[in-house]
Amino acid sequence: RKEVEQDPGPFNVPEGATVAFNCTYSNSASQSFFWYRQDCRKEPKLLMSVYSSGNEDGRFTAQLNRASQYISLLIRDSKLSDSATYLCVVPTQRGGNKLTFGTGTQLKVEL
Amino acid sequence: EPEVTQTPSHQVTQMGQEVILRCVPISNHLYFYWYRQILGQKVEFLVSFYNNEISEKSEIFDDQFSVERPDGSNFTLKIRSTKLEDSAMYFCASSSLAGALNEQFFGPGTRLTVL
Repeated sequence: RKEVEQDPGPFNVPEGATVAFNCTYSNSASQSFFWYRQDCRKEPKLLMSVYSSGNEDGRFTAQLNRASQYISLLIRDSKLSDSATYLCVVPTQRGGNKLTFGTGTQLKVEL
Repeated sequence: EPEVTQTPSHQVTQMGQEVILRCVPISNHLYFYWYRQILGQKVEFLVSFYNNEISEKSEIFDDQFSVERPDGSNFTLKIRSTKLEDSAMYFCASSSLAGALNEQFFGPGTRLTVL
């Protein structure tokens, strides 16, 4: 299994739709996870952190399933501005703080 | 809102030349990082830096690469003899604390093109 694996998409959805992305990780010792958003040719920006079973912030919900080693991101009532690539990120637990990125899932929200 | 800045935004160089990419991390941050992203590929970790020394580096970060914090504000990545495959977007990041719970803030990146 790859360290961090995501479906690359693209997911093409109409405005207002609910869309969910999954991410699997290989290191069962991982304790925390991040979802970053990356717009085309821009830097990654933190969207959500996931430390326990889940986290919710407005239209965005992240859930963690440790038994199955996957994290999900749910976007409700999607907007045109949500179009981006969503990166699943797993930090190491060691002092170096390396972040391991998935390849990202591309979302296109259409009228 | 404090942010990480990087210069230049785009660097074009000839194969074999040395390049220095510059970053100014967020001022009260203590941990600094370089990542790269080849076009169409995922973001890859290069190196982390704390207390004036490298704390971790990846296999990509070979002898051609070096990092330095020459003063209290700048953090640089040097590539001694560039190769075509070094063409990528290079992101600098910083964080205030260590540990897996701590957010890393990314700069806008330097696009390096090696001809």
